[in-house]
Amino acid sequence: AQSVTQLGSHVSVSEGALVLLRCNYSSSVPPYLFWYVQYPNQGLQLLLKYTSAATLVKGINGFEAEFKKSETSFHLTKPSAHMSDAAEYFCAVSDRGGSQGNLIFGKGTKLSVKP
Amino acid sequence: DTAVSQTPKYLVTQMGNDKSIKCEQNLGHDTMYWYKQDSKKFLKIMFSYNNKELIINETVPNRFSPKSPDKAHLNLHINSLELGDSAVYFCASSPRAGGNSPLHFGNGTRLTVT
Repeated sequence: AQSVTQLGSHVSVSEGALVLLRCNYSSSVPPYLFWYVQYPNQGLQLLLKYTSAATLVKGINGFEAEFKKSETSFHLTKPSAHMSDAAEYFCAVSDRGGSQGNLIFGKGTKLSVKP
Repeated sequence: DTAVSQTPKYLVTQMGNDKSIKCEQNLGHDTMYWYKQDSKKFLKIMFSYNNKELIINETVPNRFSPKSPDKAHLNLHINSLELGDSAVYFCASSPRAGGNSPLHFGNGTRLTVT
């Protein structure tokens, strides 16, 4: 069965600093991996996804993530944090072989950005 | 022109009542979902429909009954509401079923049971 672990329920960075949100996955088959962002009182919005093309995936708002099979990781990074990046971030995994598209979400990491 | 819209946005009701949440998507997607987000922000799938056919039915009390009149609509009816049902319920859609198809979420319905 697939699972996702997000290390750190809360990450705080200064504006302009590097953002690093950690995600490790467990899957018996090569996974599809996703990062979603949730702003207050809103639904989740797709940031980026990995589906076996390039291991470095670029997403919206300057975010990117690198798939590392040897480390079973899919960490999300952004070189320079902006105040508008403050939100909850969710990593998710889906069974590549599954036909139902059942996404398993991590518990989320709340990103705070200090001025 | 909202892609996935849910109504109502807020729902406050008493234990034992029956309530419904409606969802509509105008993206032309084949697959729709209901997710529950608890107070700790944990998201868990409840149901999924593909072209009006139920394809995912997680371990959810049978007080919860989804209905999909057409592939653009997926409603959620809850009978005999309990305190533990308080949560944010998200509707989502995707172009098709399948693990690589990203989800488009509505803005959620915050259900409070008193």
